[in-house]
Parts: sequence; structure tokens; C-alpha cells
Amino acid sequence: DIQMTQSPSSLSASVGDRVTITCRASQSISSYLNWYQQKPGKAPKLLIYAASSLQSGVPSRFSGSGSGTDFTLTISSLQPEDFATYYCQQSYSTPGTFGPGTKVDIK
Amino acid sequence: EVQLVESGGGLVQPGRSLRLSCAASGFTFDDYAMHWVRQAPGKGLEWVSGISWNSGSIGYADSVKGRFTISRDNAKNSLYLQMNSLRAEDTALYYCAKGSVAGTLYGAFDIWGQGTMVTVSS
Repeated sequence: DIQMTQSPSSLSASVGDRVTITCRASQSISSYLNWYQQKPGKAPKLLIYAASSLQSGVPSRFSGSGSGTDFTLTISSLQPEDFATYYCQQSYSTPGTFGPGTKVDIK
Repeated sequence: EVQLVESGGGLVQPGRSLRLSCAASGFTFDDYAMHWVRQAPGKGLEWVSGISWNSGSIGYADSVKGRFTISRDNAKNSLYLQMNSLRAEDTALYYCAKGSVAGTLYGAFDIWGQGTMVTVSS
């Protein structure tokens, strides 16, 4: 199975900050990488698919990049509603493993 | 409105069975793969199982293989998860999720239900 890691596991940031979260796959997954946002008590929400494609309705301050084994989610200017946990997920092969998550909270 | 609604969760003793259901609406159900993803209390997301649009391709996580069975009824726009030989470590919130790409088991999950809680305890 493909293993996914994320860093950092948590971070504290202020409104307006630029935030970067990284995700690494244990083997090449081409661009089969997705990013989700989850707020407490809510279902996950798809933000980015295929490494860099913005899901419909997601603000443009979210962006994704990378291919192969290394990927990045960037929030260009953190907003109050962005404080949440972010997960990457590979869809290259079954099982579609998720990363352990990165919690973004208020500094 | 595109919607997924899970049901069937509850408290069950170890070794017993439970069947989860997911009712879909607002999209052409039989065009897309469907998945179950679970989240243990305070933990991350774990993909459990997925089924292609025509049930021709099915996958399971190693942790549930041989105990859980995924199925779908396209005529009823419904997804199911039959869970047998339940263990304490199966305790989690179980989400139903829609595959984003028509015709394939792979791809992102673009629509999620609100989840149904399964608690395995004596």
C-alpha cells in the first residue's frame, strides 16, 4: 500500500498569513493527489483534485502543486473560516490512503 | 441538491453484524463509483471500501477485508456496507462518499454524507 505523510502535523497562524502544508507519498503517484478540509463535527470537503485543480466553489486562495511523490497545499491569505484540519489523499491505487492530517489553528 | 444520507449505525457487541446504508439523490448515481470512509473518534480518515458504477470493481482496506462487504443497488440509488465480525477497532463515524470521475473506481471524493456512528462495545 502507498503510505502518505504530511508536515507539519499542526501549525498556528494568523489571519492573512500564507500557509503551506506538504504531503509526501511513499512511491510515485503522478498527479493523483487530492486535498480535503475538515472542520470539527463536519464531513470532509474536497478542495483540490489531481494535485492542482481547484474544486468548484472553492476560493482561489487555495492552491495545490506537485507531482510524483511531493505535493503542497497553499493558502495564500488565511481567513477565519480556514481554521480546520487538512488531509491529503492519493487516488493512484486502492486503497486510497489519506495522510494523517494537518491541523491549522489560530495563533 | 446533491445529497448523501447514511443510516444504520448504532451500538453493537463485538463479533456481531451491522448493515449501513447510504441514500443518494441529486445526481446520476449509476454513473459514479461510491466509497465508504471512516473516522475513529479523534483520529484521521481511513478509506474502507469502494465500488465502481457497475459493481464490476471493488476494493477493501486490509483492515476490513474478509469481514465487510460493499454493494450497491442502482435502481434504488443506494450504497450498502455489510459489516460482520465487528471489533472494537471498527468503532468510528462511517461516511459515504461519491467518486468524482464517472466510470472509474479512482478519483477524488467530491460529495460526502454527514456520517453514521458505529460503536462496537460489550
